[in-house]
Amino acid sequence: DAKTTQPPSMDCAEGRAANLPCNHSTISGNEYVYWYRQIHSQGPQYIIHGLKNNETNEMASLIITEDRKSSTLILPHATLRDTAVYYCIVRAFIYNFNKFYFGSGTKLNVKP
Amino acid sequence: DTAVSQTPKYLVTQMGNDKSIKCEQNLGHDTMYWYKQDSKKFLKIMFSYNNKELIINETVPNRFSPKSPDKAHLNLHINSLELGDSAVYFCASSLQAGAAYEQYFGPGTRLTVT
Repeated sequence: DAKTTQPPSMDCAEGRAANLPCNHSTISGNEYVYWYRQIHSQGPQYIIHGLKNNETNEMASLIITEDRKSSTLILPHATLRDTAVYYCIVRAFIYNFNKFYFGSGTKLNVKP
Repeated sequence: DTAVSQTPKYLVTQMGNDKSIKCEQNLGHDTMYWYKQDSKKFLKIMFSYNNKELIINETVPNRFSPKSPDKAHLNLHINSLELGDSAVYFCASSLQAGAAYEQYFGPGTRLTVT
């Protein structure tokens, strides 16, 4: 079962920052927050993950609140190619092996 | 130089048939997965193998039988196909199973059962 809540859709103007929120109020202390995206019907693509500190890579930034109950994925300069479904995932440990529970995601529409 | 590859990309078959989907990763990863994405776009894990050993089986009907001949391959065999098996099946791999390692997904196999 998905442990995250995301808005079903968001719009963003091309060139502007896209801020995608995610609620994970039941997250445990050792669970990571992952973000993936799926462009059209391609395989999901890894974006970023974090535990409690903010993280940044070449694709995006991840801001996690101090209580870890929510996070925000930031695409600093959205392009049309960033139009996709974005999944916020909490990685669950099951007998030392991790499982990903994908929710319904946020459809990000980047508009010219 | 594809990281995770699947064959075939499309598979159309009739109810009752048996079919297989193949997956290969060239990343040197220890862990591989099968996911199913249904028509409502929900992505659900089906199986996970670590070093050729089954570690996760998410209440999948026993008509589905994964086989891992080596840690670079995880094939999915489906017996007695049903209409409800129509979906996109994704293979994925990660460096290890128990740590904070991201999963890399293949391009998917769209299975249509008529």
